[in-house]
Amino acid sequence: AQKITQTQPGMFVQEKEAVTLDCTYDTSDQSYGLFWYKQPSSGEMIFLIYQGSYDEQNATEGRYSLNFQKARKSANLVISASQLGDSAMYFCAMREPMNSGYSTLTFGKGTMLLVSP
Amino acid sequence: DTGVSQDPRHKITKRGQNVTFRCDPISEHNRLYWYRQTLGQGPEFLTYFQNEAQLEKSRLLSDRFSAERPKGSFSTLEIQRTEQGDSAMYLCASSFGTHNEKLFFGSGTQLSVL
Repeated sequence: AQKITQTQPGMFVQEKEAVTLDCTYDTSDQSYGLFWYKQPSSGEMIFLIYQGSYDEQNATEGRYSLNFQKARKSANLVISASQLGDSAMYFCAMREPMNSGYSTLTFGKGTMLLVSP
Repeated sequence: DTGVSQDPRHKITKRGQNVTFRCDPISEHNRLYWYRQTLGQGPEFLTYFQNEAQLEKSRLLSDRFSAERPKGSFSTLEIQRTEQGDSAMYLCASSFGTHNEKLFFGSGTQLSVL
């Protein structure tokens, strides 16, 4: 069974500073994918970044980067130059194979990020 | 591209009533997913469609839960004889079905069972 662990219930950061949100995972699969989603108070889950297990480079998308350490099974999200609009819940997720042969996502419990002026 | 649309945004019902939620995926997406999210938790997978075929339903929480996707377009999730424990956010997502399975989510339907 796959498992995603996010140990930080909440994080505070000042505007324009960088912040790291932790994620560790557990899987016996050799090929897997890791995702980060943002959920603002409106409720919609917004895709941020994806890292494949065989990708040699850490993924980056604008101000978001994923610090992927395969041996430690960690996939931390780094947000550079935080903005007030970054205040939201952040979820780490892993692609999970289903019996049907397709896959869905398994999510962690999330980290609430609050950005202060 | 208008995104994934869910209706209603909020639903309040009495215990024992049936409720139905609707999801309209992004038009060119052939895969559709339903998730449930309770307070303080991440989304929990419920069921999955590829076009009109429901390919995975083993995670539906009980036989009171059912979902359909007629003609492979919009989908409905029905909960019969609602219980207070069904109170949650119900999220719909759709995707192209690529290997990295990037899902596009709607804003969800918040269900409150009194």
